[in-house]
Amino acid sequence: GQNIDQPTEMTATEGAIVQINCTYQTSGFNGLFWYQQHAGEAPTFLSYNVLDGLEEKGRFSSFLSRSKGYSYLLLKELQMKDSASYLCAVRPQGSYKLIFGSGTRLLVRP
Amino acid sequence: GAVVSQHPSWVICKSGTSVKIECRSLDFQATTMFWYRQFPKQSLMLMATSNEGSKATYEQGVEKDKFLINHASLTLSTLTVTSAHPEDSSFYICSARAGTTQETQYFGPGTRLLVL
Repeated sequence: GQNIDQPTEMTATEGAIVQINCTYQTSGFNGLFWYQQHAGEAPTFLSYNVLDGLEEKGRFSSFLSRSKGYSYLLLKELQMKDSASYLCAVRPQGSYKLIFGSGTRLLVRP
Repeated sequence: GAVVSQHPSWVICKSGTSVKIECRSLDFQATTMFWYRQFPKQSLMLMATSNEGSKATYEQGVEKDKFLINHASLTLSTLTVTSAHPEDSSFYICSARAGTTQETQYFGPGTRLLVL
């Protein structure tokens, strides 16, 4: 089976750095994705990790440790528009489908 | 980037009617499309995987006779909610995968269904 855990909510200050953690237990692993979703909208792709280590893309970075079943999304220089839900999703081995975690609602305050 | 559209964006229907939702990949051919459902303040739940020219693969607990999926071409998949009931009211989102070299799924804007 699959189990993906994320914190439900987080709050951070504009300009700060926030780290959103995701732990997973899946039957086989073939990549981890992070998506951003604003209320009432579809998710937009942020990052993809399949090997251990850090992937940096502008203000956003994503880290993966396969041995620990752990990933985090790091958001730097937070902006008000970063207030959204952040979804961690795992792709099981042998499949292209994604299994989503429950999502983390991030609130950025002035 | 790859664009996926959905139609309609909003639909309100009476209980017992059927509703068809279209998902189109506009600038790429989608070998695989996925259908998700999202209830308020919850995450996306995968309903089924749709491969062009073959039968859809449904997730456990999803009734294939109630949620009919057709993937007739490499750019179009449809989801029909048959005999819709108020509990089917939800946000339905499709995503499309471009091909073997593309790892990313691109999501459509979603369809909000309200069954009265």
